[in-house]
Amino acid sequence: AQSVSQHNHHVILSEAASLELGCNYSYGGTVNLFWYVQYPGQHLQLLLKYFSGDPLVKGIKGFEAEFIKSKFSFNLRKPSVQWSDTAEYFCAVSPGSARQLTFGSGTQLTVLP
Amino acid sequence: KAGVTQTPRYLIKTRGQQVTLSCSPISGHRSVSWYQQTPGQGLQFLFEYFSETQRNKGNFPGRFSGRQFSNSRSEMNVSTLELGDSALYLCASREGSNQPQHFGDGTRLSIL
Repeated sequence: AQSVSQHNHHVILSEAASLELGCNYSYGGTVNLFWYVQYPGQHLQLLLKYFSGDPLVKGIKGFEAEFIKSKFSFNLRKPSVQWSDTAEYFCAVSPGSARQLTFGSGTQLTVLP
Repeated sequence: KAGVTQTPRYLIKTRGQQVTLSCSPISGHRSVSWYQQTPGQGLQFLFEYFSETQRNKGNFPGRFSGRQFSNSRSEMNVSTLELGDSALYLCASREGSNQPQHFGDGTRLSIL
């Protein structure tokens, strides 16, 4: 069965700091990769997705992620975080048929003003 | 387009009761999936429906069931409720097999 690991459970940064959240998955076949964000009191929103093609994916709000197949990783990055980025971030994987999502345990990001 | 709509937003039930949750997908989306979110287990897949057929099921007991109607609306039913069923239940819809899932606000179920 596939699994997703997010090693950082809680990250605290000051505004303007750079962000990198780790995501590793275990699945031997073709995968689709996602990052979702959950702002306080809001529903899960799609930040970015990777299906195929360029392994460097750009999403909304200045976020990007890089798919490194050899490392089974899909790390999320942002060069300069804002207070409004405070939220919980979830990495998710689905097999090539893009059906069920397997989620990581989430990373709570707190950005201090 | 309106987003994924889940009703009700909050529910309080007691052990042994049953509950039905409803989900209306984004217009034009034919696939609906259900997830359970708890602090201890995180987000876990329950099942997926497409064209009124269950296509995939997660590792949950038979007390958890669902169905999808011809208009793509879906319902999830949990029978003989247990304290551990307290969770946020999320519905997601997508347009096609190679499209991302879009989530609703969820139904928060509390079991007393």
